[in-house]
Amino acid sequence: QKEVEQDPGPLSVPEGAIVSLNCTYSNSAFQYFMWYRQYSRKGPELLMYTYSSGNKEDGRFTAQVDKSSKYISLFIRDSQPSDSATYLCAMSGYFSGGYNKLIFGAGTRLAVHP
Amino acid sequence: EAGVAQSPRYKIIEKRQSVAFWCNPISGHATLYWYQQILGQGPKLLIQFQNNGVVDDSQLPKDRFSAERLKGVDSTLKIQPAKLEDSAVYLCASSGSNYGYTFGSGTRLTVV
Repeated sequence: QKEVEQDPGPLSVPEGAIVSLNCTYSNSAFQYFMWYRQYSRKGPELLMYTYSSGNKEDGRFTAQVDKSSKYISLFIRDSQPSDSATYLCAMSGYFSGGYNKLIFGAGTRLAVHP
Repeated sequence: EAGVAQSPRYKIIEKRQSVAFWCNPISGHATLYWYQQILGQGPKLLIQFQNNGVVDDSQLPKDRFSAERLKGVDSTLKIQPAKLEDSAVYLCASSGSNYGYTFGSGTRLTVV
């Protein structure tokens, strides 16, 4: 079992739709939960991060973390063609040895068409 | 704040040849990571440095891959000899906090 599982894509939606992206994880040591956006031929860029359980909103983006279910989500409201990218969930935590480790999901490719 | 710099951007080599990638992290970031991202997959951690010491290289194919971070700043990742399955984007990232990871644009390696 992978440490982080992410819903496979690709996901194609019309402009203005609400998009839901999800990941599950298995390791309780994860404490920070992040969503990265990656455009073609670019490195991942941090979109949002959440510490522990709860919701966090930033403009059209909402991140949710449910640590009891080991499940995280990213919602995109009023999706735009410029949101077309690959969305990667990532998680970090302190593991044996005392160092912080960042693990990624496989990524979901999103296409928003006009 | 300047970003993470990587070079070269692209590299095409024949199998069994060697190749090296370079990374300059954000100034002051103690932690540096090398990830391998195969097309259609998420980044996979190859090696993690804390200052100039290795803290995790469990997924680094040590028979062909090596990495160093001299003086706790720049880092190089080397592959020798390269295999076809090494074709991927190699991403360098640095971090100064538990969530503030900054990635470079990556080096796209094609092994033919």
